Amino acid sequence: DVKVTQSSRYLVKRTGEKVFLECVQDMDHENMFWYRQDPGLGLRLIYFSYDVKMKEKGDIPEGYSVSREKKERFSLILESASTNQTSMYLCASSFPIRGFGETQYFGPGTRLLVL
Amino acid sequence: AQSVAQPEDQVNVAEGNPLTVKCTYSVSGNPYLFWYVQYPNRGLQFLLKYITGDNLVKGSYGFEAEFNKSQTSFHLKKPSALVSDSALYFCAVRDPKRGYQKVTFGIGTKLQVIP
Repeated sequence: DVKVTQSSRYLVKRTGEKVFLECVQDMDHENMFWYRQDPGLGLRLIYFSYDVKMKEKGDIPEGYSVSREKKERFSLILESASTNQTSMYLCASSFPIRGFGETQYFGPGTRLLVL
Repeated sequence: AQSVAQPEDQVNVAEGNPLTVKCTYSVSGNPYLFWYVQYPNRGLQFLLKYITGDNLVKGSYGFEAEFNKSQTSFHLKKPSALVSDSALYFCAVRDPKRGYQKVTFGIGTKLQVIP
């Protein structure tokens, strides 16, 4: 079974702090994603990575950065946390099988509260 | 641009009755379509997908979905609902012509199965 793990289930930070969210997958997937999930808005893509050191902005990259130094690990960084970044953050990974659709495998999520 | 709509915030159904969770999409060309389920305090789990071929797709836990190109719909169905099916359901779409492997998710539909 594919396993995607996230470093924390719950996190409380203060405004202005630098926050690191870590995601690790054990299936050698090329693609990794960071989403945030908010009620009434569904999942919105923050950043996407298709290979080590490669990244693409998603729909809402402002206030976030990412790092992918190793294939299995994809980090989301909040440079200076703000209260409007309080949310559930979901990491996902997929293997790019062209023509077969890329099923995404999700981690359990990190619920971040910024005070 | 690609988009997906889930017109119902919540669907209530009695245990043992058939259930339908609706999804419509907008994409140029032929879409990849997905359904995911999220149980409380968990990440999303893949249920099923349509890539090509038979319009009726069968997935996990007895769920199925029908791709209807003329109505641009991909409704999720199950013949007999279980209380354990109560969860949040997300429809998602991807345009395979886009090199960027971005999936757009709907806002989710909460399914409540009443004993």
